[in-house]
Amino acid sequence: DAKTTQPPSMDCAEGRAANLPCNHSTISGNEYVYWYRQIHSQGPQYIIHGLKNNETNEMASLIITEDRKSSTLILPHATLRDTAVYYCIAFANAGGTSYGKLTFGQGTILTVHP
Amino acid sequence: DVKVTQSSRYLVKRTGEKVFLECVQDMDHENMFWYRQDPGLGLRLIYFSYDVKMKEKGDIPEGYSVSREKKERFSLILESASTNQTSMYLCAGGQGRENGYTFGSGTRLTVV
Repeated sequence: DAKTTQPPSMDCAEGRAANLPCNHSTISGNEYVYWYRQIHSQGPQYIIHGLKNNETNEMASLIITEDRKSSTLILPHATLRDTAVYYCIAFANAGGTSYGKLTFGQGTILTVHP
Repeated sequence: DVKVTQSSRYLVKRTGEKVFLECVQDMDHENMFWYRQDPGLGLRLIYFSYDVKMKEKGDIPEGYSVSREKKERFSLILESASTNQTSMYLCAGGQGRENGYTFGSGTRLTVV
């Protein structure tokens, strides 16, 4: 799986958009970009994923560059409850199978301030 | 949404005990995973299973085994618990890259 690089920490004011970058310059064509977050002492929570196109759901938007070498997770109106560690993962199934291993890096600690 | 349930939120066990951590998913997903999470080391994959009775070693399988007799249940077994297995254990289940995986709430195991 491609390695991803994220800033170790970011701050955001409550009510503002939080834009979390991720670099995945070695991503291969069959790897999806996944975002999870983990609030202290809980299991990781799925946020969003995409392959080539930008994606939006009720939690966030995912912007993937045309060359797929980087992406940005956008939380449009951050709240205090969005304070968490955010993980960007390049994820592909193992060759010829229907499964793959999610490999977590260190992620970005997002702190939302009042 | 897939729900993944881990049977215990907190466990305290003694060194040398045999420990079973249970995980159940409520969908018909083939793939299930066990991770452990430690400060400074992040989430590390212990074992995974892609079908009933099938298992594969992850990155840190030493000291652990697994059992998957039914599709919905994936058990992590510590044959002889040691203090260095004190950790947060996380189970996940799902279908693969198109849909991702859902994680349970975690079991915080303390071995004394």
